[in-house]
Amino acid sequence: EVQLVESGGGLVQPGGSLRLSCAASGFSFSTYWMSWVRQAPGKGLEWVANIKGDGSQMNYADSVKGRFTISRDNTKNSLYLEMNSLRAEDTAMYFCAKTPRDSRYSHFDYWGQGNLVTVSS
Amino acid sequence: DFVMTQSPDSLAVSLGERATINCKSSQSVLYDSNNKNYLAWYQQKPGQPPKLLFYWASTRESGVPDRFSGSGSGTDFTLTISGLQAEDVAVYYCQEYYSTALTFGGGTKLEIK
Repeated sequence: EVQLVESGGGLVQPGGSLRLSCAASGFSFSTYWMSWVRQAPGKGLEWVANIKGDGSQMNYADSVKGRFTISRDNTKNSLYLEMNSLRAEDTAMYFCAKTPRDSRYSHFDYWGQGNLVTVSS
Repeated sequence: DFVMTQSPDSLAVSLGERATINCKSSQSVLYDSNNKNYLAWYQQKPGQPPKLLFYWASTRESGVPDRFSGSGSGTDFTLTISGLQAEDVAVYYCQEYYSTALTFGGGTKLEIK
């Protein structure tokens, strides 16, 4: 059974930093592109970043480029999102999501339960 | 940039009736080389993550009831729920994966009338 479990969220002040983690199990983690998708309270879904299975390619939404860094450790079956220079508009539930294809051009077949990040003073 | 526009924003349908949700993309999501539409549909219930319903616009994900159907091509797509059940109350999102932006529609909230 595929499982994605996020951790690391919480309350942080504007300008601060936070690191999210996603522990994956139940599938060959290193095979698939993985993404972070976020959802502001009461709002829709926004793709944030993705990373190739071997970690060699990363892509970012314009809204986070230069501030967020996606990475993965295939020895630990884990995905990460390092978030710096956080702003109030980054407040959201952050979901870890798996793609079913070895391609950045993909939908998401499994999602974690999400981890809440709140940026406020 | 891709813009995915869903309509209506919200919808109230009686139990057993049909619900129709539309999704329009600002550019075609049909990839000519493989004749596939790079369009997915998700269902999100309160307090839960999104759940994949359809990919390639009309390929039903395993376990999704056949009262759900996806259709359309190019720029215009439809999610239809035939015979609405109480457990179908949710917000539904379309998503393009033709571009690097992986853009979602704004969502359609489906309620029981």
